[in-house]
Amino acid sequence: EEQLLESGGGLVQPGGSLRLSCVVSGFTFSDYGMNWVRQAPGKGLEWVTAISGSGASTYYADSVKGRFTISRDNSKNTLYLQMNSLRAEDTAIYYCAKGKAAGGTSSLLDYWGQGTLVTVSS
Amino acid sequence: EVVMTQSPATLSVSPGESATLSCRASQTVSNNLAWYQQKPGQAPRLLIYGASTRATGIPARFSGSGFGTEFTLTISSLQSEDFAVYYCQQYHNWPPATFGQGTKVEIK
Repeated sequence: EEQLLESGGGLVQPGGSLRLSCVVSGFTFSDYGMNWVRQAPGKGLEWVTAISGSGASTYYADSVKGRFTISRDNSKNTLYLQMNSLRAEDTAIYYCAKGKAAGGTSSLLDYWGQGTLVTVSS
Repeated sequence: EVVMTQSPATLSVSPGESATLSCRASQTVSNNLAWYQQKPGQAPRLLIYGASTRATGIPARFSGSGFGTEFTLTISSLQSEDFAVYYCQQYHNWPPATFGQGTKVEIK
């Protein structure tokens, strides 16, 4: 059974940094692209970033480009999101999600974690 | 960026009735359209992909249709567990992958 578990959320001041982690199990991690999707309080879903199974290719939403970095450690079955220069508008629940298609980078998301809340406030 | 527009924003339906949700793309996305269900306090769950293929474990009362720019999610004979927010998402022209703003299906 596919499982994804995020951690690392919390309260951070504007301009600060935070690193989120997502540990997965139940599938061959390196075979699948992975994504981060966020949801501001009471709002809809916003795709943030994706990474290929090997980690060689990454993709970002314009709203986070240059501030956020997605990475992965396939030996640890772990996905990361390094968030720098955080702004109030980055406040959201951050979900990691598995791309459905093996062998590529997919933004069709078939399994999601429960999310971790990031609050950017002074 | 492909803009996804869902209608209506809220749909009030009685249990046992059917619900029809719409999603429109600002440009063609072929059949690369997914629907997700989200209940309060939970992560989204994939319901439909390829515009009309049910994901693993999704009941047959959920069906999707459409191609290009116009898509529909139909839920027949609504059960209590179906009252939730539904999002469409295109994965044809990305990045960025884009979601609609959601349709809340509530009990009438």
